[in-house]
Amino acid sequence: SQTIHQWPATLVQPVGSPLSLECTVEGTSNPNLYWYRQAAGRGLQLLFYSVGIGQISSEVPQNLSASRPQDRQFILSSKKLLLSDSGFYLCAAGVTEQFFGPGTRLTVL
Amino acid sequence: QKEVEQDPGPLSVPEGAIVSLNCTYSNSAFQYFMWYRQYSRKGPELLMYTYSSGNKEDGRFTAQVDKSSKYISLFIRDSQPSDSATYLCAMGANSGGYQKVTFGIGTKLQVIP
Repeated sequence: SQTIHQWPATLVQPVGSPLSLECTVEGTSNPNLYWYRQAAGRGLQLLFYSVGIGQISSEVPQNLSASRPQDRQFILSSKKLLLSDSGFYLCAAGVTEQFFGPGTRLTVL
Repeated sequence: QKEVEQDPGPLSVPEGAIVSLNCTYSNSAFQYFMWYRQYSRKGPELLMYTYSSGNKEDGRFTAQVDKSSKYISLFIRDSQPSDSATYLCAMGANSGGYQKVTFGIGTKLQVIP
């Protein structure tokens, strides 16, 4: 079975600062990978997905970007954070069934 | 109209009750259906996965899909305080070469001892 790791678990950043969230997957090869954001009282919003190394598709235009430098590594980045970037960020892996990591809670002040 | 509709609750039930959680959807292209359980400040955990109409049982959990009515349900028998969590329905379909999953907003369940 696959295990998904995310770090950091919690992050507090000032507006305008950069961001880097990391996700790694164990127990599977060439997984589809996803970044979601979950805001309070709202559903899961798909941000990016990747079907392979270097292949990134964006679902929602914003100041975030994603990269997949290795088969089982997925990174979410921003050059300048906005207040609206606060939320719970989840990495997921899978094809039909999606399995989630523990999440990163980001607060932008 | 949202693709997936789910009542956010909260839903409070006494311990031992049968819980019924529901979602409706509008997109006929959805091919498979899932239920996730999410504890506070944790990632969602996959509970049930099914791709056909009918019932699927796993322990105290039963997932029911009615494609003709575009309606899915999750039943929890003999509910326990440890079942207190938010339950997300999810539905997937092939979209441009990858499997796109759409989630409901989640129903918050509280099981009272």
